[in-house]
Amino acid sequence: AQRVTQPEKLLSVFKGAPVELKCNYSYSGSPELFWYVQYSRQRLQLLLRHISRESIKGFTADLNKGETSFHLKKPFAQEEDSAMYYCALIGIGGRQFYFGTGTSLTVIP
Amino acid sequence: NAGVTQTPKFQVLKTGQSMTLQCAQDMNHEYMSWYRQDPGMGLRLIHYSVGAGITDQGEVPNGYNVSRSTTEDFPLRLLSAAPSQTSVYFCASSYSTRAGGYTFGSGTRLTVV
Repeated sequence: AQRVTQPEKLLSVFKGAPVELKCNYSYSGSPELFWYVQYSRQRLQLLLRHISRESIKGFTADLNKGETSFHLKKPFAQEEDSAMYYCALIGIGGRQFYFGTGTSLTVIP
Repeated sequence: NAGVTQTPKFQVLKTGQSMTLQCAQDMNHEYMSWYRQDPGMGLRLIHYSVGAGITDQGEVPNGYNVSRSTTEDFPLRLLSAAPSQTSVYFCASSYSTRAGGYTFGSGTRLTVV
């Protein structure tokens, strides 16, 4: 069965420090993974997709099939990065998105 | 181009009442879905649709109905509201799930008392 696990519900880092939000998945096949971000009182927005290997707002994420992980990283956290972050996976047949439970990131000034 | 529009933004229902949450998109997206967002549980898929006239169940469909008579609209119906349905509901659409990238609505905060 498809599953996305975000082990940290809450994560706090100081401004300027590196940040890593963990995401592990289980999927029988070639996964397609994404990171979404939800700023306070706003709608969810797509942040990254692994197939495009892009860097958005300084964030990167690498798919590690051996460790079944898709961790989100940023070398220097900014206060405006404080938000809820969700890892998501497309299920078999590409018809269902599975979201993790989310990690609330707080960047301390 | 309004994107994905959800109405109402807030709603309070009494147990047993029914209501419809509206979702409309103007991007000609074929794929639409409904999620509920609960603390500690992330977003869970309720129902989804891959095109007009085609709907299917997600992870937590019980107590909800959907229909897709047009490409633009995908309403979610609560048949008999229960306190367990207190949640924030998000509608999302995409031209293709495999390309990734949903566009989300702003959400409906529903309280059932």
